[in-house]
Amino acid sequence: DGGITQSPKYLFRKEGQNVTLSCEQNLNHDAMYWYRQDPGQGLRLIYYSQIVNDFQKGDIAEGYSVSREKKESFPLTVTSAQKNPTAFYLCASSIGGRLETQYFGPGTRLLVL
Amino acid sequence: RKEVEQDPGPFNVPEGATVAFNCTYSNSASQSFFWYRQDCRKEPKLLMSVYSSGNEDGRFTAQLNRASQYISLLIRDSKLSDSATYLCVVNPLSGGYNKLIFGAGTRLAVHP
Repeated sequence: DGGITQSPKYLFRKEGQNVTLSCEQNLNHDAMYWYRQDPGQGLRLIYYSQIVNDFQKGDIAEGYSVSREKKESFPLTVTSAQKNPTAFYLCASSIGGRLETQYFGPGTRLLVL
Repeated sequence: RKEVEQDPGPFNVPEGATVAFNCTYSNSASQSFFWYRQDCRKEPKLLMSVYSSGNEDGRFTAQLNRASQYISLLIRDSKLSDSATYLCVVNPLSGGYNKLIFGAGTRLAVHP
């Protein structure tokens, strides 16, 4: 079955630690996205990538980094510079173009110890 | 003013009721509109796109009013399984990419 997978489902971060969230898709989509969801707020875009080896900052990129070395994969690193990392992180993908539906993975919930 | 605004609810309705949600958007140049459904602690899933002429999918009807810059979602004959948060999503066709702006969601609770 085609889809988007994210791992782990839950992730715990210690102070000063970098953690990496995995996102893989087998939909052959060109574009991939990372969002953050906090209670009572809409999803906010962290980073997006329209094509392999290219990515751009979204609205709240500070404290995060990404890579896009393969079409299928778009990992997100939450660095120690992100002072409030506790949130629900959602990865999405779309075919490409500017008016396409985005499909979401199941999400990773990050908690700070 | 938020780019996409929704009443957070909750809307508490009995099974079989008809319920409607509205959502307003600020960018008049917005081109694409969607309703996503999100269950508790799960990912958003596309419920339906919203077309200028309005569209219907079973018990769900979506309408777009460009003049007043709002979209609506009507659910007829509510089921317990309709309990979820409904996200209004707008593509403003700006920023040079497939940009989506999400509302914070309207929570629906359907009770027996």
